[in-house]
Amino acid sequence: AQSVTQPDIHITVSEGASLELRCNYSYGATPYLFWYVQSPGQGLQLLLKYFSGDTLVQGIKGFEAEFKRSQSSFNLRKPSVHWSDAAEYFCAGARCKLVFGAGTILRVKS
Amino acid sequence: GAGVSQSPRYKVAKRGQDVALRCDPISGHVSLFWYQQALGQGPEFLTYFQNEAQLDKSGLPSDRFFAERPEGSVSTLKIQRTQQEDSAVYLCASSLDSGVTIYFGEGSWLTVV
Repeated sequence: AQSVTQPDIHITVSEGASLELRCNYSYGATPYLFWYVQSPGQGLQLLLKYFSGDTLVQGIKGFEAEFKRSQSSFNLRKPSVHWSDAAEYFCAGARCKLVFGAGTILRVKS
Repeated sequence: GAGVSQSPRYKVAKRGQDVALRCDPISGHVSLFWYQQALGQGPEFLTYFQNEAQLDKSGLPSDRFFAERPEGSVSTLKIQRTQQEDSAVYLCASSLDSGVTIYFGEGSWLTVV
């Protein structure tokens, strides 16, 4: 069955520190991969996506993600976190339809 | 409009009541999706339309859930005889193409009391 796993339910980082959110996928073939962010009471905003080609993908708000086929991973990174980055982050994979991970809640401490 | 629009944003329904949730996709978008997001969980796929055709309804949890998109634009998700476990955010999304990049609305928050 197709699935996306986000192992970390909560992550807390200090403002200005680097961030890495983990995502692993299980598909028969490599899916399209996405990261979305959701602020409280808001819809999902697309941060970045990977279809093929360069395995390091740049997104909005200074985020990037790296696709690693050997590890079935698509981890999200940011070099320096801002307090406004506090939100819930969802990794998703798609062949015919989006399948989401359970999400990681990011807290930023000043 | 510029984005996916959903209404109502918030709905409180008494158990057993029928509800209808509306989605206006981005103009010209062929594909439309409905997702259900329970508190503290990721969105779960409900159903998918390409134009007016409902191509996948495998995620609808029961026959109390029904979705339509009669003219290939606006869609309505109907829940009959609501139950407490139906309380969730219902997200609508649309895509210009076959669904590779989809854009979400802000959701309709349903609380069944």
